[in-house]
Amino acid sequence: DTGVSQDPRHKITKRGQNVTFRCDPISEHNRLYWYRQTLGQGPEFLTYFQNEAQLEKSRLLSDRFSAERPKGSFSTLEIQRTEQGDSAMYLCASSTVRTGGDTEAFFGQGTRLTVV
Amino acid sequence: SQQGEEDPQALSIQEGENATMNCSYKTSINNLQWYRQNSGRGLVHLILIRSNEREKHSGRLRVTLDTSKKSSSLLITASRAADTASYFCATAPYTGTASKLTFGTGTRLQVTL
Repeated sequence: DTGVSQDPRHKITKRGQNVTFRCDPISEHNRLYWYRQTLGQGPEFLTYFQNEAQLEKSRLLSDRFSAERPKGSFSTLEIQRTEQGDSAMYLCASSTVRTGGDTEAFFGQGTRLTVV
Repeated sequence: SQQGEEDPQALSIQEGENATMNCSYKTSINNLQWYRQNSGRGLVHLILIRSNEREKHSGRLRVTLDTSKKSSSLLITASRAADTASYFCATAPYTGTASKLTFGTGTRLQVTL
């Protein structure tokens, strides 16, 4: 499968615990994005990497959240001291820049986090 | 925050009918994209329309873009039960290197037999 893969697909954790999600983008894509989606809403941008550089972070990304993309390949998103409000679907996407700046993003299946 | 809104929030039609969804956005864009999401799954890219384009077709999909009104519409012709999903518009900002997408709130489409 050459699409974007995310692991795990589901995660249930107790409040206060740390969790880490992994995203493997499409191999030739140099851009990687993390989004969060709550029930009934559209995805909200969290952060974006071009190669290994984290170029933009949303204000939604509090200091409990950290994302990395070592070597510009896979990425991890860690949430420390989870809160019930962190319960959501975390989506990863990757893209490459085409002529004219078009960036069609390909999404993974997401990691559904439930904080109890 | 969401860039814009889709209208209607929910739409129920019978198989074979056409479905039209509208999207409004707030800021200048490089392009606008439509995505489909089946329940609890990831998003699937459907079509991209650039800011200098007014209409685009892909199979049973027709997208229009009116930058003066900051709005777009997605038409699905001859709908099928398999089209049942949520549909989101997403805008890429007008910058030198378009980066993040900003999504609308989505339209939930139900196609019944």
